[in-house]
Amino acid sequence: DQQVKQNSPSLSVQEGRISILNCDYTNSMFDYFLWYKKYPAEGPTFLISISSIKDKNEDGRFTVFLNKSAKHLSLHIVPSQPGDSAVYFCAATINAGNNRKLIWGLGTSLAVNP
Amino acid sequence: NAGVMQNPRHLVRRRGQEARLRCSPMKGHSHVYWYRQLPEEGLKFMVYLQKENIIDESGMPKERFSAEFPKEGPSILRIQQVVRGDSAAYFCASSHRDYPYEQYFGPGTRLTVT
Repeated sequence: DQQVKQNSPSLSVQEGRISILNCDYTNSMFDYFLWYKKYPAEGPTFLISISSIKDKNEDGRFTVFLNKSAKHLSLHIVPSQPGDSAVYFCAATINAGNNRKLIWGLGTSLAVNP
Repeated sequence: NAGVMQNPRHLVRRRGQEARLRCSPMKGHSHVYWYRQLPEEGLKFMVYLQKENIIDESGMPKERFSAEFPKEGPSILRIQQVVRGDSAAYFCASSHRDYPYEQYFGPGTRLTVT
């Protein structure tokens, strides 16, 4: 049972345009969400996170939006750059006690074309 | 390099042998996590450790797998009597105790069982 779903396996955008990566979740107990970026042969790199008490968090070119009622979050990258080409993973967790388990989506491969 | 270090990067074992994967967390990080990525699947949480303590091993297979994070030295993920189904990429991550969900990943160990 995939609790975190990234329904688009791949996305292609032009350099300078906006990239929008989507993520849906099924577990209403999730209250903390993260986006990671992964290059081939490397481990994932933390990008940005959001708590369920917020609906938006921004860090430079990266903005994450959270819609709790729809159980949906998205990552916006503006403007997109060729170096952003990577696999992007959405992860979710329950911020409680000693729980540190991140539940991961399967990833979306982003290609930013010059 | 102050990042998370994993070794070896590639490990080949025959069925029935033991595999030992090592992880040195980022400097200042006291929390270590192990994840596994099977072919065509997403990252799956295995275990969460602090120094000399296993906090959450709910993602570990019940048999053949063990993990430790001793007072001195790296964290070790040990797989006894490996089988072909253990072939995967094993990622270690670490975090600061104040930011437990911002996990920093190593480059991974790719285990191949022949």
